[in-house]
Amino acid sequence: EVQLVETGGGLIQPGGSLRLSCAASGFTVSSNYMSWVRQAPGKGLEWVSVIYSGGSTYYADSVKGRFTISRDNSKNTLYLQMNSLRAEDTAVYYCAKSRDYWGQGTLVTVSS
Amino acid sequence: DIVMTQTPLSLSVTPGQPASISCKSSQSLLHSDGKTYLYWYLQKPGQPPQLLIYEVSNRFSGVPDRFSGSGSGTDFTLKISRVEAEDVGVYYCMQSIQLPYTFGQGTKLEIK
Repeated sequence: EVQLVETGGGLIQPGGSLRLSCAASGFTVSSNYMSWVRQAPGKGLEWVSVIYSGGSTYYADSVKGRFTISRDNSKNTLYLQMNSLRAEDTAVYYCAKSRDYWGQGTLVTVSS
Repeated sequence: DIVMTQTPLSLSVTPGQPASISCKSSQSLLHSDGKTYLYWYLQKPGQPPQLLIYEVSNRFSGVPDRFSGSGSGTDFTLKISRVEAEDVGVYYCMQSIQLPYTFGQGTKLEIK
């Protein structure tokens, strides 16, 4: 059974950093492309970043240069390092396996 | 970026009646590999999005056959043949032919 469990969210001040984790089970992270998608409170879905099986990474313009996606194959875990956080980064962050399975999400609140 | 436009933005449907949601993309989603990278998701209240339809018309595992997808190129439709109470939520279309992956604004389905 495919499972994705995100952790690492919380309240952070503007300019701060957070690292989100997405622990996967039931499949191999490195054999799939993995994405982060976010949803601001009461808003729609916004794709944030992707890492392909070959290791290539891509980012939305809104987070480029501030966020870094990575994975640890030994832990079968996906990460999102978020630096220089802004109020507009406040959202529930979901990790997703390819286009099919999504985790429950973790809430990031950027506020002073 | 490819813009995904959904209509209507909200639907109120009597149980047992059909429902239809349109999704139009600003560019063709037909890839040179012959696949069309259009997906439909349902986000039930308080839950992450769940995949309903992949590549225009293929129902994902466990999705009831009352859900169907159709279309080609830039025009796509999700149909529910007989709406049930459990179908309430927000429906999103998404394209993954080109980065950044983009979503429609969402269509909120309510039960009358």
